[in-house]
Amino acid sequence: AQSVTQLGSHVSVSEGALVLLRCNYSSSVPPYLFWYVQYPNQGLQLLLKYTSAATLVKGINGFEAEFKKSETSFHLTKPSAHMSDAAEYFCAVRSGNNNDMRFGAGTRLTVKP
Amino acid sequence: GAGVSQTPSNKVTEKGKYVELRCDPISGHTALYWYRQSLGQGPEFLIYFQGTGAADDSGLPNDRFFAVRPEGSVSTLKIQRTERGDSAVYLCASSLNPSSWVHEQFFGPGTRLTVL
Repeated sequence: AQSVTQLGSHVSVSEGALVLLRCNYSSSVPPYLFWYVQYPNQGLQLLLKYTSAATLVKGINGFEAEFKKSETSFHLTKPSAHMSDAAEYFCAVRSGNNNDMRFGAGTRLTVKP
Repeated sequence: GAGVSQTPSNKVTEKGKYVELRCDPISGHTALYWYRQSLGQGPEFLIYFQGTGAADDSGLPNDRFFAVRPEGSVSTLKIQRTERGDSAVYLCASSLNPSSWVHEQFFGPGTRLTVL
């Protein structure tokens, strides 16, 4: 069965600093990987997805993630944090013919002025 | 509609009562998913519909939970004899074509269920 682990339930960065949110996955077959963002009182919004086309995936709002099979990782980065990036971020995995998506526990990003 | 909508946005009920949560997917989306998100956790898969039929209900926690999608659009999640442990945000998502893995799931804002 597939699963993801997000290291760090809370991450705090200063405005303009690098954002790094960690995600490691477990899957017995080649996975499809996703990052979602959840703003307060809003639904989950897709940031980016890996579907085997390219290992470096660029998403919305300046975020990107790199699929590293050797490390079973799919970390999310953004070069320069903005106040509006403060939200909860979820990594998710979907494998093979499974219809369900397995989410990590989430990482809350705080951006300090 | 423009996005996935869910009603009510908040539901407070008493232990032992029956509740229904409604999801309106994006028009034309054949796949519909229900998830449950407990406090401090990521969404947990409950059930997946392809059209009118429940293609995968392996995530439903027990037989108190049931969902329908009679006309292949709107879905209702039904919870009988609610328990305090059922308190969570219930999320609905839809996607255009589940057999194509590039198609993302679009999520609604959720229904916050509180069982007193």
